[in-house]
Amino acid sequence: GENVEQHPSTLSVQEGDSAVIKCTYSDSASNYFPWYKQELGKRPQLIIDIRSNVGEKKDQRIAVTLNKTAKHFSLHITETQPEDSAVYFCAARGYYGGSQGNLIFGKGTKLSVKP
Amino acid sequence: DADVTQTPRNRITKTGKRIMLECSQTKGHDRMYWYRQDPGLGLRLIYYSFDVKDINKGEISDGYSVSRQAQAKFSLSLESAIPNQTALYFCATSDFTSGNEQFFGPGTRLTVL
Repeated sequence: GENVEQHPSTLSVQEGDSAVIKCTYSDSASNYFPWYKQELGKRPQLIIDIRSNVGEKKDQRIAVTLNKTAKHFSLHITETQPEDSAVYFCAARGYYGGSQGNLIFGKGTKLSVKP
Repeated sequence: DADVTQTPRNRITKTGKRIMLECSQTKGHDRMYWYRQDPGLGLRLIYYSFDVKDINKGEISDGYSVSRQAQAKFSLSLESAIPNQTALYFCATSDFTSGNEQFFGPGTRLTVL
């Protein structure tokens, strides 16, 4: 089935700097890649997603890039602010093996933005 | 406001007890999911249901069972709780109208002593 690796597990940046989180996936048939943000004590919420027919997608300060050949995708946050501090999860929708079209999540990245 | 709710929000129980966690949604979604979150391990799928008559095992179903009582309700049971089932449990919903987005409930923190 699908396997998603996420790096780094923790990331600390200064306010105003950029942050990049990277994920790799194993199932070449995967076609949907969302990113979820989970603030402390809260539920995960979708912040941006990308489909396999698109190489990049932007929404204000956040962007996601996808390289299907290399099977990796990345989240980019520019001009980071303290409210960006959270755990970020990448996911891929896998098809082979036991994935059956469900989302397979990475293990998360804890982002800390220092004022 | 359409939402996903979970009860209880916190539960402490003892080894060997049977526990039920409940999830309700007012979004009208067909698909419902139960995930488990452990520190450093991300979100792992326990069971999922695409409609009332459809129940499927996820990545880590051993020791758990589910019931889809209605389109809006999906319950997770721990038949005989053990300490390594201590975790944060999330219910989620989606359907074709939401695209692929999954909407999560607030979570249930379960501690098994």
